[in-house]
Amino acid sequence: DGGITQSPKYLFRKEGQNVTLSCEQNLNHDAMYWYRQDPGQGLRLIYYSQIVNDFQKGDIAEGYSVSREKKESFPLTVTSAQKNPTAFYLCASQPARRGQETQYFGPGTRLLVL
Amino acid sequence: GENVEQHPSTLSVQEGDSAVIKCTYSDSASNYFPWYKQELGKGPQLIIDIRSNVGEKKDQRIAVTLNKTAKHFSLHITETQPEDSAVYFCAARTGGTSYGKLTFGQGTILTVHP
Repeated sequence: DGGITQSPKYLFRKEGQNVTLSCEQNLNHDAMYWYRQDPGQGLRLIYYSQIVNDFQKGDIAEGYSVSREKKESFPLTVTSAQKNPTAFYLCASQPARRGQETQYFGPGTRLLVL
Repeated sequence: GENVEQHPSTLSVQEGDSAVIKCTYSDSASNYFPWYKQELGKGPQLIIDIRSNVGEKKDQRIAVTLNKTAKHFSLHITETQPEDSAVYFCAARTGGTSYGKLTFGQGTILTVHP
């Protein structure tokens, strides 16, 4: 998992509630990503950010929001608009150097709906 | 957009046998193909990757081959061991920069029986 931490490991959400998942990296990577993983499916990109104060929607951004105020932090908020939030959420980061294409993943947060 | 298909979805082998997982991609502009291993409850870890200007790459018991004409790439694991049991994901990246989005396959559950 390198220097990427995600918290909490498990998170419970009530109906109509917004919850925020934390992702922190101490690798000095410029790019950060959020993926969603459902059973039997591959990872799907929610949002990504290449530099501070900038981020782009991925394939399934509806019902989610992010911020990138610091290089080392990329929190993901699952809003009440996301009707099926139960999933395993993975954060990743990547260096900015040319040819450094590896994305490094954190340990993940499992979100469950009560 | 890019679409990545991965087969088989499950693979069971005896210890010492070889295992092969295949992926096809749709976008001929894809130029980077990583393979990740994910153990239960953890984030994926890169095990090997290949760029479009290379046909084959090896790292000890693991190898990846790429056929750009047919748009498919494969992971080969030789002399499998029980600790190789995990979920394996292929991915393809489209884009001229190092930050192009990764599109993942659906995953293969590999079980190595002692």
